[in-house]
Amino acid sequence: KAGVTQTPRYLIKTRGQQVTLSCSPISGHRSVSWYQQTPGQGLQFLFEYFSETQRNKGNFPGRFSGRQFSNSRSEMNVSTLELGDSALYLCASSLRGASTNEKLFFGSGTQLSVL
Amino acid sequence: QQPVQSPQAVILREGEDAVINCSSSKALYSVHWYRQKHGEAPVFLMILLKGGEQKGHDKISASFNEKKQQSSLYLTASQLSYSGTYFCGTETGGGADGLTFGKGTHLIIQP
Repeated sequence: KAGVTQTPRYLIKTRGQQVTLSCSPISGHRSVSWYQQTPGQGLQFLFEYFSETQRNKGNFPGRFSGRQFSNSRSEMNVSTLELGDSALYLCASSLRGASTNEKLFFGSGTQLSVL
Repeated sequence: QQPVQSPQAVILREGEDAVINCSSSKALYSVHWYRQKHGEAPVFLMILLKGGEQKGHDKISASFNEKKQQSSLYLTASQLSYSGTYFCGTETGGGADGLTFGKGTHLIIQP
């Protein structure tokens, strides 16, 4: 079974631009969660999608948005990039979601650098 | 609100034991533990549900004290492969906050 796939692996953008990251979950998994990882803050929850609906949302500004498609693939978008958005963005998939006490399967992440 | 992990970092010799703690100010429904090696994705270790159960996974085990809203991860007779960053994730049961992770504990095992 293929694991969680995130593309692209690396991105370099400049302030003010927008970016879209993609996540393909494990086949059969309907929940996709997104996390921002920085050295100082660890893993911070962005949002979770289940069956194309946002189920949970973390404490991030509206510049961060996401969506999920009918095949469970998910994208997250960050508009008007700021220097502080530089981070590793991880997505994780599970059958029903972490709130159902399932383990999460993480992708290798997209490393975003904002210049 | 992020759970608090301690210590932030620890260096051990191979064969020594380690304890990593995770505490929350909120009532917890479950605690999840993950390990991340440098440059890799976090990998699931175990989930503990409220009820104070202790779970084991080879020489890695964990406990969950519901009254204190604390969990501890125990690494016994550590091996070089145990090196990495350990994260606890907490879930309050309402589902509204998702899985909230701590800032992580960096564990370095030296030969």
